[in-house]
Amino acid sequence: DVKVTQSSRYLVKRTGEKVFLECVQDMDHENMFWYRQDPGLGLRLIYFSYDVKMKEKGDIPEGYSVSREKKERFSLILESASTNQTSMYLCASSLSSGGRKTQYFGPGTRLLVL
Amino acid sequence: DQQVKQNSPSLSVQEGRISILNCDYTNSMFDYFLWYKKYPAEGPTFLISISSIKDKNEDGRFTVFLNKSAKHLSLHIVPSQPGDSAVYFCAAADTYSGAGSYQLTFGKGTKLSVIP
Repeated sequence: DVKVTQSSRYLVKRTGEKVFLECVQDMDHENMFWYRQDPGLGLRLIYFSYDVKMKEKGDIPEGYSVSREKKERFSLILESASTNQTSMYLCASSLSSGGRKTQYFGPGTRLLVL
Repeated sequence: DQQVKQNSPSLSVQEGRISILNCDYTNSMFDYFLWYKKYPAEGPTFLISISSIKDKNEDGRFTVFLNKSAKHLSLHIVPSQPGDSAVYFCAAADTYSGAGSYQLTFGKGTKLSVIP
């Protein structure tokens, strides 16, 4: 079974703080993704990575950055947290090969920025 | 521009009856489609997928139908159970578009409530 883990289930931070969300997958997947989920807006892609040290912007990258130093680990960084970044953050991973694009998700981190 | 649309934000069904969740897409390059199920405070879990070369795929109580000419897919759950109550997301991929082929485009979700 694919396992995607996220460093925290719940986080409370103050406006202006630097926030690190970490994601680890154990299935040697090439691709990793960060989404945020907000009521009525579905899942929106923030950034993704298709290889170590590679990153691509998703639909809403503003205010975020990412780091992928190792294949199994993908970090999302909020440089200066703001209240509008209060959300559920979801990490996912997938294989590159085989034509199938199934992404496997972690349990999510619910972030509250005060 | 929403390329994957789930026009029903919510759906209520009696236990034992059929649940039909619908999804429309606009991008004719999409050739792979998935359904995910999400409980509150958890990550989405993969449910079932279908390639554009098929028009139907079944897995137990879950069946996905694809109508390419109408750019429409649907998820049927028969019989519906209270444990099926969750938000269901439809997703689509263009598997030949280079770096973008790694991405899934998600709908906004439909909240299914199965009433005992």
